[in-house]
Amino acid sequence: DQQVKQNSPSLSVQEGRISILNCDYTNSMFDYFLWYKKYPAEGPTFLISISSIKDKNEDGRFTVFLNKSAKHLSLHIVPSQPGDSAVYFCAASFYGGSQGNLIFGKGTKLSVKP
Amino acid sequence: EAQVTQNPRYLITVTGKKLTVTCSQNMNHEYMSWYRQDPGLGLRQIYYSMNVEVTDKGDVPEGYKVSRKEKRNFPLILESPSPNQTSLYFCASSLLGTAYNEQFFGPGTRLTVL
Repeated sequence: DQQVKQNSPSLSVQEGRISILNCDYTNSMFDYFLWYKKYPAEGPTFLISISSIKDKNEDGRFTVFLNKSAKHLSLHIVPSQPGDSAVYFCAASFYGGSQGNLIFGKGTKLSVKP
Repeated sequence: EAQVTQNPRYLITVTGKKLTVTCSQNMNHEYMSWYRQDPGLGLRQIYYSMNVEVTDKGDVPEGYKVSRKEKRNFPLILESPSPNQTSLYFCASSLLGTAYNEQFFGPGTRLTVL
């Protein structure tokens, strides 16, 4: 059973508008969440993260929101740029780092059109 | 430069011919992991290692072997490759004991088994 779900395989957005990528999780033990971005022919790269003690984390154009009661998080990109076109993976982990494992969603392919 | 390297980047082989994909990191990370990425399935963990001589199965370990004789290296071994192992493979590493589990990924190895 998938513990981290990204139900939208793809998303298309106009340049300058907001992109919203969604992620749901089922395991209430998760307490740290990360977003990775992946371009073709490259490995995934870390984008932004959020701890379960927060409900929002911002880094420039990227903001992640966490709704623990709904077990839902979202990544907002404002404004979207063509260079943001990539596959975005949501991932979840347990606090403390002792385990090291990340549980990944299947990814959402974002296309930002000029 | 801090990085995870994988070799080879591309490999075409035939069924049953043993192969090894190497992975090396220069960040002194304890944790290393192998993933495969397939269309519609996202990133699935094959094996992981929390330190030298400590390895464990991920979600899809069948048909793969790993070893961790040195901290920096974590090779993936396919003793008898089959066509269903045609995939894009990523190695990743991270520091344990931190507040979160940001993993650093290699550039990927595209394997085709004929």
